[in-house]
Amino acid sequence: AQSVTQLGSHVSVSEGALVLLRCNYSSSVPPYLFWYVQYPNQGLQLLLKYTTGATLVKGINGFEAEFKKSETSFHLTKPSAHMSDAAEYFCAVRDTYNNNDMRFGAGTRLTVKP
Amino acid sequence: ETGVTQTPRHLVMGMTNKKSLKCEQHLGHNAMYWYKQSAKKPLELMFVYSLEERVENNSVPSRFSPECPNSSHLFLHLHTLQPEDSALYLCASSQDLRGRRPYEQYFGPGTRLTVT
Repeated sequence: AQSVTQLGSHVSVSEGALVLLRCNYSSSVPPYLFWYVQYPNQGLQLLLKYTTGATLVKGINGFEAEFKKSETSFHLTKPSAHMSDAAEYFCAVRDTYNNNDMRFGAGTRLTVKP
Repeated sequence: ETGVTQTPRHLVMGMTNKKSLKCEQHLGHNAMYWYKQSAKKPLELMFVYSLEERVENNSVPSRFSPECPNSSHLFLHLHTLQPEDSALYLCASSQDLRGRRPYEQYFGPGTRLTVT
């Protein structure tokens, strides 16, 4: 079964700085990979997803992630943090053969300092 | 209404109460999910319904009982809960689970449940 590890439960950056949220996955079959964001008192919202094809995926709000098979990673980045980016971010993996089984990481809380 | 809605948004119940959580999706999806979100833990998948049939039950205690009367509505019936059941309960929906297309899940805002 697949699994996800998010390194760092809490990341703090200054406004305008690079955002890097780390995600490593484990899967015995080619994975589908997702990043979700959760703002306070809200559900999860899809930021971006990787299925096949181009390994650099662009999402909403200026975020992007790169699938690196050799490193089993799918790190999320944004060149310049904005105060509104403060939220909790979840990486998720689903294998290509079992639609039922989406596994989420424990989440990374991003704080943006003025 | 758009997207996935959940009611109530907050619920406080005693251990002997019976209550129900409601989820409704307005996206034309035919798969629905219940997740439990506890502090500092990954989301836990509880139940999955596809075309109104339960396809997954991840060893959830029987004090949680799901119901999916049609593809737009999902309920979670609660009875004799324990304090450790306090959490945010999230509902999600997606396109048909059949096949291998990478349909993402759309989440509701959740119900914050406190068991006293």
